[in-house]
Amino acid sequence: AQSVTQPDIHITVSEGASLELRCNYSYGATPYLFWYVQSPGQGLQLLLKYFSGDTLVQGIKGFEAEFKRSQSSFNLRKPSVHWSDAAEYFCAVGVGSEYGNKLVFGAGTILRVKS
Amino acid sequence: GAVVSQHPSWVICKSGTSVKIECRSLDFQATTMFWYRQFPKQSLMLMATSNEGSKATYEQGVEKDKFLINHASLTLSTLTVTSAHPEDSSFYICSADQGENYGYTFGSGTRLTVV
Repeated sequence: AQSVTQPDIHITVSEGASLELRCNYSYGATPYLFWYVQSPGQGLQLLLKYFSGDTLVQGIKGFEAEFKRSQSSFNLRKPSVHWSDAAEYFCAVGVGSEYGNKLVFGAGTILRVKS
Repeated sequence: GAVVSQHPSWVICKSGTSVKIECRSLDFQATTMFWYRQFPKQSLMLMATSNEGSKATYEQGVEKDKFLINHASLTLSTLTVTSAHPEDSSFYICSADQGENYGYTFGSGTRLTVV
């Protein structure tokens, strides 16, 4: 079955430091991969997505992610974190079925930014 | 950009009553909408896929008679939690398919508290 693992429940980084959030997936075919961000009590905003092509994907708000097939990973990175980046981040894999495409989410990683 | 409006943003209801949550795509038509449930500090679990003009497709373990989904138009899907109980208290989020490959836009969510 398709699954997404985000090993880190919480991560704390200092403002201005670099960030990497880990994501591993389990999917038989070529995956469609996504990173979303959720602020408290809010819906989800798409940061970036990977379908094919260049394995380094640029997203909004200065985020990027790299697809590594050999490691079944799609880690999210940002060179310099801002206090406004504090939120919960979800990795997801797109799964096709007879009923259409749907997203399977990881458990999420809560990012705290300290000044 | 695409906007999905979810209403209400929060609701408190008495045990045994029913609650309706609306999900509207404001500037695009959505043949397919999705309903998710999110428990505190947990990931989003897909409850059902809502297709305009046809019956919703429910995920395994989701009670169809308890969570009624209606997708009567291309811009509106509703989720009705019938005979709500405290264990139904949760954060419910909808998303709408813009028609592009995995072009999903999320609503801002509804916090349901059953007392």
